[in-house]
Amino acid sequence: GENVEQHPSTLSVQEGDSAVIKCTYSDSASNYFPWYKQELGKGPQLIIDIRSNVGEKKDQRIAVTLNKTAKHFSLHITETQPEDSAVYFCAASPGYNQGGKLIFGQGTELSVKP
Amino acid sequence: NAGVMQNPRHLVRRRGQEARLRCSPMKGHSHVYWYRQLPEEGLKFMVYLQKENIIDESGMPKERFSAEFPKEGPSILRIQQVVRGDSAAYFCASSPLARKNTGELFFGEGSRLTVL
Repeated sequence: GENVEQHPSTLSVQEGDSAVIKCTYSDSASNYFPWYKQELGKGPQLIIDIRSNVGEKKDQRIAVTLNKTAKHFSLHITETQPEDSAVYFCAASPGYNQGGKLIFGQGTELSVKP
Repeated sequence: NAGVMQNPRHLVRRRGQEARLRCSPMKGHSHVYWYRQLPEEGLKFMVYLQKENIIDESGMPKERFSAEFPKEGPSILRIQQVVRGDSAAYFCASSPLARKNTGELFFGEGSRLTVL
């Protein structure tokens, strides 16, 4: 089955710097790759997603890139702010999916220091 | 439009008791997913249900765990004879029928189970 690996597990940056989180997946048939942000005590919230027919997608300070050949995708946050501090999860939707199931990475705890 | 509603938000049980976690999907959503999050770990898929049907239960432990999504009412995740290792946050997510293949899931705030 699909397996998603995420690195790093923790990331600390200064306010205004960029943050990059990387994920790899194992199932070459996976076709949908969302990123979720989870704040303490809350449920995960979708922040951006990308599909397998697109190489890059950007939404203001957040961008995601996908390399299907290498089976990895990355989240880029520019001009980080303290409110970006949270745990970020990548996920992949397996190609064999019967509908909607996501396999998540282990999470990255991002800390943005003012 | 209310989001995914989970209750209780916190539940404490003693070993051997039963835990019932409820989830009401977003209005118009007929697909429900349950995930478990152990402390400082990622989200592990448990089960995917549509109304009155279990579609994929490949992540459910074989014993003590069951899930249902009846025609009327919320989805329920039931854990019988709880053990300390069941202590975790249980998240429910839903997605709309029309976009069931997009993978976009909307999560609730979670139910945090503590087993004493």
